[in-house]
Amino acid sequence: QKEVEQNSGPLSVPEGAIASLNCTYSDRGSQSFFWYRQYSGKSPELIMSIYSNGDKEDGRFTAQLNKASQYVSLLIRDSQPSDSATYLCAVSRGSTLGRLYFGRGTQLTVWP
Amino acid sequence: ETGVTQSPTHLIKTRGQQVTLRCSSQSGHNTVSWYQQALGQGPQFIFQYYREEENGRGNFPPRFSGLQFPNYSSELNVNALELDDSALYLCASSPGTSGGEQFFGPGTRLTVL
Repeated sequence: QKEVEQNSGPLSVPEGAIASLNCTYSDRGSQSFFWYRQYSGKSPELIMSIYSNGDKEDGRFTAQLNKASQYVSLLIRDSQPSDSATYLCAVSRGSTLGRLYFGRGTQLTVWP
Repeated sequence: ETGVTQSPTHLIKTRGQQVTLRCSSQSGHNTVSWYQQALGQGPQFIFQYYREEENGRGNFPPRFSGLQFPNYSSELNVNALELDDSALYLCASSPGTSGGEQFFGPGTRLTVL
């Protein structure tokens, strides 16, 4: 089982819709959870971090964490074509705090 | 912009050669982590440097080595390059080693022929 798994995608939504990106992780000792956005040919850009169960909102982005289910998600409201990118889920484990484990990413396309 | 810089932007080498990649961390950050991202994959952790010491290493062979300098900048060295080393090499800086946020530089695209 991989450390971090993301819904395979690609995901395609119309402009203005809600995009839902999902991620599961295998280590129950994981403590920190991150979502990065990566445009084609560019490096990952941190867009959300979440450390405790529940929801965290930042503008059009909402991260949701459920440690009991080992599940973290990212919702993008009012999706825009500029949101089209690959979204990477990353997890930091308790035993190796400085290391991030990444999923393969979900490619999102928002069409006008 | 994260304030993390990397050089060079692109590099082409042949199999068996050696390469050095450089990274300058964001102001105030004392920790640098290196990742390798192959096409279509998520980044894979190579190692992390904190206060000039290696602080954790991923599943990479010893021909991948690194350094951190007193100003917290860092180098990644790869010896005896193999074709599979072709990837985007990412440097991430963070204010510590406690599992907090990491901010990536623009990356170095390495092609091994």
